[in-house]
Amino acid sequence: GQNIDQPTEMTATEGAIVQINCTYQTSGFNGLFWYQQHAGEAPTFLSYNVLDGLEEKGRFSSFLSRSKGYSYLLLKELQMKDSASYLCAVYPNDYKLSFGAGTTVTVRA
Amino acid sequence: KAGVTQTPRYLIKTRGQQVTLSCSPISGHRSVSWYQQTPGQGLQFLFEYFSETQRNKGNFPGRFSGRQFSNSRSEMNVSTLELGDSALYLCASSLVGTANTDTQYFGPGTRLTVL
Repeated sequence: GQNIDQPTEMTATEGAIVQINCTYQTSGFNGLFWYQQHAGEAPTFLSYNVLDGLEEKGRFSSFLSRSKGYSYLLLKELQMKDSASYLCAVYPNDYKLSFGAGTTVTVRA
Repeated sequence: KAGVTQTPRYLIKTRGQQVTLSCSPISGHRSVSWYQQTPGQGLQFLFEYFSETQRNKGNFPGRFSGRQFSNSRSEMNVSTLELGDSALYLCASSLVGTANTDTQYFGPGTRLTVL
């Protein structure tokens, strides 16, 4: 099976920066996604990395190192609405998108 | 553009019954994938349909089945329900599907409770 690891929970203060790490061991690699999921809602697409390096989108950035099987999602200038679960997902060679268990981020005032 | 829609949003069934869930993809999207989300197992891939054909399948028993219609709408059926089938069932659509590592857009899900 595929193995995708993320921390279970993280807490940070409004206005701060939080980095969510994701490590993966999969049968091949064809891209990595980050999704945000608020409680009781659908996951929403944040970012996609297929090549090594940093992708920046406003307050959110995602980094990938394929040789290390590692990615992170960086959330800057945290806002209360960023409190959510963040899911790392990888496309292995069988193209069955595999998800990590998710990281619950709590933003405190 | 309207997003992915799923009906019903909530369902309560008893063990042994069967259930059908419906998903309408984003207009123009031809691929529909289904996922099961539970607190213990997280999000797990069930299957993908593209142009009315099942293109990929996860590791779920044959009680879980699906189909796709010519307008790309998809249905998922679970027969002989078990308590462990209680979960949030999410549908995701994409333009050309997982084989092209296409971005998937999720619907709000159907919360199924089996008593």
